[in-house]
Amino acid sequence: QQPVQSPQAVILREGEDAVINCSSSKALYSVHWYRQKHGEAPVFLMILLKGGEQKGHEKISASFNEKKQQSSLYLTASQLSYSGTYFCGTANAGNMLTFGGGTRLMVKP
Amino acid sequence: DAGITQSPRHKVTETGTPVTLRCHQTENHRYMYWYRQDPGHGLRLIHYSYGVKDTDKGEVSDGYSVSRSKTEDFLLTLESATSSQTSVYFCAISTQPMNTEAFFGQGTRLTVV
Repeated sequence: QQPVQSPQAVILREGEDAVINCSSSKALYSVHWYRQKHGEAPVFLMILLKGGEQKGHEKISASFNEKKQQSSLYLTASQLSYSGTYFCGTANAGNMLTFGGGTRLMVKP
Repeated sequence: DAGITQSPRHKVTETGTPVTLRCHQTENHRYMYWYRQDPGHGLRLIHYSYGVKDTDKGEVSDGYSVSRSKTEDFLLTLESATSSQTSVYFCAISTQPMNTEAFFGQGTRLTVV
């Protein structure tokens, strides 16, 4: 079953912040985050391996709440280059890797 | 960049014809995945493989079959293509998806007319 992402879309001005949420009805062993530019393949951002873990990548960071089976991606001081579709992915014990429906992010000047 | 290529990159086929898409990797990764991407649905898992001749169904496997006779190749076959299978198909590879990243191919745009 796919994880659920929210919001489905968000529009920002440069410099603004955004949060993208990912939740699952099943236990999460790890959470992946990817960004896809239009017409391109998804590209890995980060992976969170255990509950409470937070990771950062430039001005993009994420948290993982294992008990709530949720993860959030934080984009601070957004740049034009952050535009794209963001996906969270989860791997179960059988290594089946499934992704959410995606969040379209548009950053305007 | 990870060595993963998909072929063909674009294909137009007629309803009812069989179609095979190929994913080839040079990374010797154990796990390989096929996804389809449609507007509003994100990336949906079709089938995946955890080794040579070891495959399993994903979320949307009806109408699709796969084969993996070599570590480097993972084939996706549409036995009898339908218009609902018009989509962009992505292959992905990983050494251990529970704790390492997945690498995606560039995608195959398939149109069934």
